[in-house]
Amino acid sequence: DSGVTQTPKHLITATGQRVTLRCSPRSGDLSVYWYQQSLDQGLQFLIQYYNGEERAKGNILERFSAQQFPDLHSELNLSSLELGDSALYFCASSATGANEAFFGQGTRLTVV
Amino acid sequence: DQQVKQNSPSLSVQEGRISILNCDYTNSMFDYFLWYKKYPAEGPTFLISISSIKDKNEDGRFTVFLNKSAKHLSLHIVPSQPGDSAVYFCAANTGSYQLTFGKGTKLSVIP
Repeated sequence: DSGVTQTPKHLITATGQRVTLRCSPRSGDLSVYWYQQSLDQGLQFLIQYYNGEERAKGNILERFSAQQFPDLHSELNLSSLELGDSALYFCASSATGANEAFFGQGTRLTVV
Repeated sequence: DQQVKQNSPSLSVQEGRISILNCDYTNSMFDYFLWYKKYPAEGPTFLISISSIKDKNEDGRFTVFLNKSAKHLSLHIVPSQPGDSAVYFCAANTGSYQLTFGKGTKLSVIP
């Protein structure tokens, strides 16, 4: 158990819909990272938050947004969903840098 | 443009033998490299890492080798055990806030 909790574990939704993925970081970790893993692809960095502030942005679509709340949990919002958004979405947290990040179990999103 | 490449999607090895997983990179700015292991239905877990100032790092049965001139690193597992069967991801960092991952290699250790 990494200590990072992601909910829900599975999500099936229709094209055009909006979903919210939730991540609770390890106790004391201020940084949260979101990654997307599409079929047969490596993990693609989406965005990082540190103590409530956006710190780095990767290949995140404009239809996607994220935020980190005062209690340090984070949410990834995906809107106007397309079939190609079907993927595993991982959240990771760290106390320091990305090299020491711990990953959650992921949320498997299926868009039908 | 894939900056971290794992060209072997899968690898099968007999229990007790050596497993060698390879990774190539193109970005000369990468200064830290990591290997993650991932079991089905779980998130990636950190396995071993190496800084660009070193060419070898060892942790028990796991050794990572870095060849900067060739932009190549490899993970050696000796001896391989059935519990090592998983997907292994190579990742690299430029000292920024994001890791760049390869697509992974699925290792199967046959008893």
